[in-house]
Amino acid sequence: GEDVEQSLFLSVREGDSSVINCTYTDSSSTYLYWYKQEPGAGLQLLTYIFSNMDMKQDQRLTVLLNKKDKHLSLRIADTQTGDSAIYFCAESFLQGGKLIFGQGTELSVKP
Amino acid sequence: DGGITQSPKYLFRKEGQNVTLSCEQNLNHDAMYWYRQDPGQGLRLIYYSQIVNDFQKGDIAEGYSVSREKKESFPLTVTSAQKNPTAFYLCASSIDLADWVEQYFGPGTRLTVT
Repeated sequence: GEDVEQSLFLSVREGDSSVINCTYTDSSSTYLYWYKQEPGAGLQLLTYIFSNMDMKQDQRLTVLLNKKDKHLSLRIADTQTGDSAIYFCAESFLQGGKLIFGQGTELSVKP
Repeated sequence: DGGITQSPKYLFRKEGQNVTLSCEQNLNHDAMYWYRQDPGQGLRLIYYSQIVNDFQKGDIAEGYSVSREKKESFPLTVTSAQKNPTAFYLCASSIDLADWVEQYFGPGTRLTVT
């Protein structure tokens, strides 16, 4: 079945790197996504990776995908207080339409 | 500016009443979605629609109904049959239903039923 798991909380100091992890069970996913949710708001797509890729870098964001272990991570370099939010990983499938989301990781950045 | 609007931001209802949540988009997207978010849980798909006059049940459709009479609008009705309706409801849209497309989310409606 489809299941996506994330740890619920992560706390880092401003300027440090943050690494948010995600594991998933269904290896037939085609794309994996990272969405950001600020308090009381909707979700905003941060980045995504095609399931055939191992890594994608976009400015301060680095996505690593280990397909063998079904593990996805998001690294945020030089984390700022504005990065404090809930981060969701999600996967999509060839038939489209459906995103399976993890529970979200609440990132707290302390000055 | 293009985007998705949901109204109201906060909604309060008494148990046993139906309530309709509004979702409008001006992105010219074909596909629209409704998700429910509960604390400590990911988003769960309630209903989605690929095109006008067509919609499909998601994972937790029981107690909800939708309509898609216009491309821009996808209202969600939370009926009295929904056992635990208090939640944060998010509407989203995408160009179509393909697996690679970005889903754009509205700001959400927080529904409290007492």
